[in-house]
Amino acid sequence: EVQLVESGGGLVQPGGSLRLSCSASGFTFKTYAMHWVRQAPGKGLDYVSSISGEGGGGNTYYADSVKGRFTIFRDDSKNTLYLQMSSLRSEDTAVYYCVKDLGSIPRDFDSWGQGTLVTVSS
Amino acid sequence: QTVVTQEPSLTVSPGGTVTLTCASSTGAVTSGYYPNWFQQKPGQAPRALIYGTTNKHSWTPARFSGSLLGGKAALTVSGVQPEDEAEYYCMLDYGGVHVFGTGTTVTVL
Repeated sequence: EVQLVESGGGLVQPGGSLRLSCSASGFTFKTYAMHWVRQAPGKGLDYVSSISGEGGGGNTYYADSVKGRFTIFRDDSKNTLYLQMSSLRSEDTAVYYCVKDLGSIPRDFDSWGQGTLVTVSS
Repeated sequence: QTVVTQEPSLTVSPGGTVTLTCASSTGAVTSGYYPNWFQQKPGQAPRALIYGTTNKHSWTPARFSGSLLGGKAALTVSGVQPEDEAEYYCMLDYGGVHVFGTGTTVTVL
């Protein structure tokens, strides 16, 4: 059974940094592309970033709203996906979900974690 | 900025059929945008329903189907059940960067 467990969320001041982690199990992690999606309180889903899996070209993708501030990366030896967030703004406040893809190229979203809440506030 | 637009809300009777659509501000939606559909109930994480325009996940009930309709991606629910009341989101792939739709609230009444 696929399991995705996010961690690292919390309260951070504007301009600060935070690193989210997503621990994966139940599948061959290195093979699959992975994604981060967020949802602000009471709002819709908002795409954040993707990273390809093994054989997918090592590509990363970002929404314009986070490009240059967020970095997605993975440690396949630890079956863990990360999102390094810097220069955080109040509008980055959201639940952040880790999502597995169906393949190695970021394309079709599959299983979702339960999310971790990031609150950016002074 | 690319915008993906869905109907804000739809109401359907139990046993009825409802079709949700997903439009792109860049033009007609084709299979090359690999439309995905998701269902989200209050307090829960989203759940994937459809990928690659028409394909169902192993857990997707048979009453859900995906298609292209008039230049948009579409999700049809046939024989709606009370438990289908939820928020539904489409998502399109713009060359690796994905964009979610604005969401449709489906009420079963």
